[in-house]
Amino acid sequence: SAVISQKPSRDICQRGTSLTIQCQVDSQVTMMFWYRQQPGQSLTLIATANQGSEATYESGFVIDKFPISRPNLTFSTLTVSNMSPEDSSIYLCSVVGGGTDTQYFGPGTRLTVL
Amino acid sequence: GENVEQHPSTLSVQEGDSAVIKCTYSDSASNYFPWYKQELGKRPQLIIDIRSNVGEKKDQRIAVTLNKTAKHFSLHITETQPEDSAVYFCAFSDSGGYNKLIFGAGTRLAVHP
Repeated sequence: SAVISQKPSRDICQRGTSLTIQCQVDSQVTMMFWYRQQPGQSLTLIATANQGSEATYESGFVIDKFPISRPNLTFSTLTVSNMSPEDSSIYLCSVVGGGTDTQYFGPGTRLTVL
Repeated sequence: GENVEQHPSTLSVQEGDSAVIKCTYSDSASNYFPWYKQELGKRPQLIIDIRSNVGEKKDQRIAVTLNKTAKHFSLHITETQPEDSAVYFCAFSDSGGYNKLIFGAGTRLAVHP
């Protein structure tokens, strides 16, 4: 399976600031997704990152709050904007590619907002 | 809307016993049902998946069964070991992994030596 990395692995941020999370894959993939996992909770899809076009957001998530880019088939970024303590979560990218339809997850970015 | 109920939320077993986790889904169009294992501080890892044209799939000590009529699928772990201790998530999709996965709430499994 593809090797997926995320940067940063963790961060502590101040309320009102923004953080951009990067997801890098070592091979071209078909699909890239961004999920949120709140403390002690399950995973919720934020959006599908579409290569070369606007991301597709799930209900409850908006582009102004979570802008996403996917400039090519191996890289995507998620920005968490104007952060509040409620944004404290683990943010995970997942990818599909390599001839299978299995979703593989990156290691996650643990965000704490003070 | 789309959702999946997962039970139990916690499960404690003795090493060597079997563990069963059950999920019930809502969307009749669902055709793909993966199970992920998440150890503390780690990413979710796929352990087994099943598609709607199959009723059962087995991989060593792990098996998944699917009942499309009742809209439920179950994870079975036999001969549990302490390293099986983790949180297990069921999920479903209507387009394999190419579409969003809807996750269950998770089951925290503890295997005691």
